[in-house]
Amino acid sequence: AQSVTQLDSQVPVFEEAPVELRCNYSSSVSVYLFWYVQYPNQGLQLLLKYLSGSTLVKGINGFEAEFNKSQTSFHLRKPSVHISDTAEYFCAVNIRINNDMRFGAGTRLTVKP
Amino acid sequence: DGGITQSPKYLFRKEGQNVTLSCEQNLNHDAMYWYRQDPGQGLRLIYYSQIVNDFQKGDIAEGYSVSREKKESFPLTVTSAQKNPTAFYLCASSLRWGAEETQYFGPGTRLLVL
Repeated sequence: AQSVTQLDSQVPVFEEAPVELRCNYSSSVSVYLFWYVQYPNQGLQLLLKYLSGSTLVKGINGFEAEFNKSQTSFHLRKPSVHISDTAEYFCAVNIRINNDMRFGAGTRLTVKP
Repeated sequence: DGGITQSPKYLFRKEGQNVTLSCEQNLNHDAMYWYRQDPGQGLRLIYYSQIVNDFQKGDIAEGYSVSREKKESFPLTVTSAQKNPTAFYLCASSLRWGAEETQYFGPGTRLLVL
């Protein structure tokens, strides 16, 4: 079965600084990759997803992620963060041949003024 | 506005009691899902439904039950057999059943045990 590892449980960063949230996955078959964001006491919202094509995926709120097949990674980046980006971010992987979504444990991003 | 609603926002359960969490969507989506979220863990799948009148167990179905009698509704019952029900419960839906589909999430229900 596939699995997802989010390498950092917490990432503190100052406002307007760049940020990278790391995600590695393991799977013996082809996968689709997702990043979701969760604001406090709310549901998850899709930031972006990789299905095929260009390995650089752009999402909402200025986020982007790069699919690296050789390193089995899908890191999320933003060049300049805002206070409003403070939230929990989840990486998820889904096997193409069935629908078996697996979520990472999450990375709590805290943006400080 | 289209979306997913969950109610109640907070729910308290007494020992030996069954409680039902509501999930309604007006997105005309075929597939619906229930997840459990515990602190420091990712989401774990409880049950899913590919289409109305169908549902299947997920990874942690023991102590839970669901029904899917209407396309827009997918209620989850937490039974007394679930010994550790305290968690945040999230309902989601997708247009179709498929790995490429985006799942849209409701705001969640927090279940606490008295």
